[in-house]
Amino acid sequence: DAGITQSPRHKVTETGTPVTLRCHQTENHRYMYWYRQDPGHGLRLIHYSYGVKDTDKGEVSDGYSVSRSKTEDFLLTLESATSSQTSVYFCAISESGTGGTNEKLFFGSGTQLSVL
Amino acid sequence: AQSVTQLDSHVSVSEGTPVLLRCNYSSSYSPSLFWYVQHPNKGLQLLLKYTSAATLVKGINGFEAEFKKSETSFHLTKPSAHMSDAAEYFCVVSAPSRDDKIIFGKGTRLHILP
Repeated sequence: DAGITQSPRHKVTETGTPVTLRCHQTENHRYMYWYRQDPGHGLRLIHYSYGVKDTDKGEVSDGYSVSRSKTEDFLLTLESATSSQTSVYFCAISESGTGGTNEKLFFGSGTQLSVL
Repeated sequence: AQSVTQLDSHVSVSEGTPVLLRCNYSSSYSPSLFWYVQHPNKGLQLLLKYTSAATLVKGINGFEAEFKKSETSFHLTKPSAHMSDAAEYFCVVSAPSRDDKIIFGKGTRLHILP
């Protein structure tokens, strides 16, 4: 299995509080992604990174920010959590970007976030 | 722009019978196509990947998928279902463009009946 660790695995928080989820990889892959998974929606991309300090928005980026100060760490922050952000969050990594020879996503085990 | 549609949200088959999970895509460029599987309370695992080398792609656990450009389809099949195949399956499309994202379908939950 690819070396991807998400922390925490479970988090319960209150509306309006800030929350940070961490993704740590030991594969030295360039690309990292944050997805949220909700019933009936599949996985939707929140933000992604194509290198240290290089990030871009996905399709559902509102209310989220990210940072990548080191190759191995990709942080997802909910500045002020809302109930609509209750979801399962997955981190993924890839050696190549879209169309690259080694384009393949490896996923972490997920973080279950509940915002009350 | 690109998109992917999984035509069935749920599929039920009996153990030992064939499996067919349907996926249609659209893409402005020659796409890469993937199938991922997610077992309950687990992360996602790659089943197989198409990248234009061959239209029939074989994956893990006896699954395979056929790329049909004329039909813009990439259906997943398995000759004989096993109880351990019960999971959710995602079709994914990706195109070689800086601005194009990796897009997931909404998933098909496969139920295996004893």
